[in-house]
Amino acid sequence: DTGVSQDPRHKITKRGQNVTFRCDPISEHNRLYWYRQTLGQGPEFLTYFQNEAQLEKSRLLSDRFSAERPKGSFSTLEIQRTEQGDSAMYLCASSPEGWDHEQFFGPGTRLTVL
Amino acid sequence: GEDVEQSLFLSVREGDSSVINCTYTDSSSTYLYWYKQEPGAGLQLLTYIFSNMDMKQDQRLTVLLNKKDKHLSLRIADTQTGDSAIYFCAESITDMGRRALTFGSGTRLQVQP
Repeated sequence: DTGVSQDPRHKITKRGQNVTFRCDPISEHNRLYWYRQTLGQGPEFLTYFQNEAQLEKSRLLSDRFSAERPKGSFSTLEIQRTEQGDSAMYLCASSPEGWDHEQFFGPGTRLTVL
Repeated sequence: GEDVEQSLFLSVREGDSSVINCTYTDSSSTYLYWYKQEPGAGLQLLTYIFSNMDMKQDQRLTVLLNKKDKHLSLRIADTQTGDSAIYFCAESITDMGRRALTFGSGTRLQVQP
């Protein structure tokens, strides 16, 4: 399977704990995006990377959230001091350079904060 | 500002046509998209239309864009039970290097046999 992959698929944590998610984009896609989707809503944009540079951040990305893409390949999204309101599906997408109007989504990581 | 709105629910009989509607507010939209999400699955890009087009057809799917009214629709011909899913409309504005997609809340399509 050569699509976008995300790990883990599910994460249950207690309030106050830190969590980290990983996204592996489609090979050679230089653009990578993170979105958050809560129940009954559409995905909301969080941040976007072009290679290793983080070029756009949503105001939804509070200071408890940090995303990295150190080598321009996989990316991690860390949430510190999780709150119950962080419970959501975290989606990753990627797109190739020069054809970046098509974003291909991974299966998501479902986070439940107890 | 950016805001994308969709009706919440649509029910059709198998074999009928489905029409899912979407309105958006930002006239700077460059591309408009339709994504499909099945339970437990990620978002699947169905089709998209560039803002200078009025219509795009792809097999059973027809997208109509009315820029004046900021209205986008997706017509699915000969709807099948496998088309049951949530359909999201999304817009992108690619000026100033922006790449974020703005999604609607989704329309749940139920296809009755």
